[in-house]
Amino acid sequence: DTGVSQDPRHKITKRGQNVTFRCDPISEHNRLYWYRQTLGQGPEFLTYFQNEAQLEKSRLLSDRFSAERPKGSFSTLEIQRTEQGDSAMYLCASSRLGSQGDGYTFGSGTRLTVV
Amino acid sequence: GENVEQHPSTLSVQEGDSAVIKCTYSDSASNYFPWYKQELGKRPQLIIDIRSNVGEKKDQRIAVTLNKTAKHFSLHITETQPEDSAVYFCAASSTGTASKLTFGTGTRLQVTL
Repeated sequence: DTGVSQDPRHKITKRGQNVTFRCDPISEHNRLYWYRQTLGQGPEFLTYFQNEAQLEKSRLLSDRFSAERPKGSFSTLEIQRTEQGDSAMYLCASSRLGSQGDGYTFGSGTRLTVV
Repeated sequence: GENVEQHPSTLSVQEGDSAVIKCTYSDSASNYFPWYKQELGKRPQLIIDIRSNVGEKKDQRIAVTLNKTAKHFSLHITETQPEDSAVYFCAASSTGTASKLTFGTGTRLQVTL
């Protein structure tokens, strides 16, 4: 599979628990993005990496959220002390440096439900 | 930051008719405008894009137009088919934001038989 892979596809957690999602980008893509999508809305930018460096974070990304891309390959997004408002689809995307959106491929997302 | 508005939020057309979705953006530095199609429960998929040095781009039944002066761009789908039914998102980005996309709120297109 040469697409962007996300795991898990679905996650149900109790409020206050921590959750971690994983994204495996297309292998030759050095940029990796995290977006959040709530029902009826477009994806909202959270953060992005170029190789292993996290270069930009949205103000939507509170201190309960942390993202890593330790070796410039896969990335993880962790949410600590989850709240009901964190329920959303978390989308990962990847692209090539300099492509300005060309080859911007989304994964199928992880749907988080906080109960 | 960039703000993208999209209209209408829902659109119902008969098979064979045309559909038009419109977006406006706020940041004059934005220079890349993609359109994504998202079917229920699936990932957004790029269907067409346009850069600010071009006024119109066409790919079979799909076309996008851009008016930089007015800061708006539109998606045109001709000869609509039932499989065109989905949610469509416009987006905008500028080179200064490293391809970060700002999305509109989406248009649910329903093509009826």
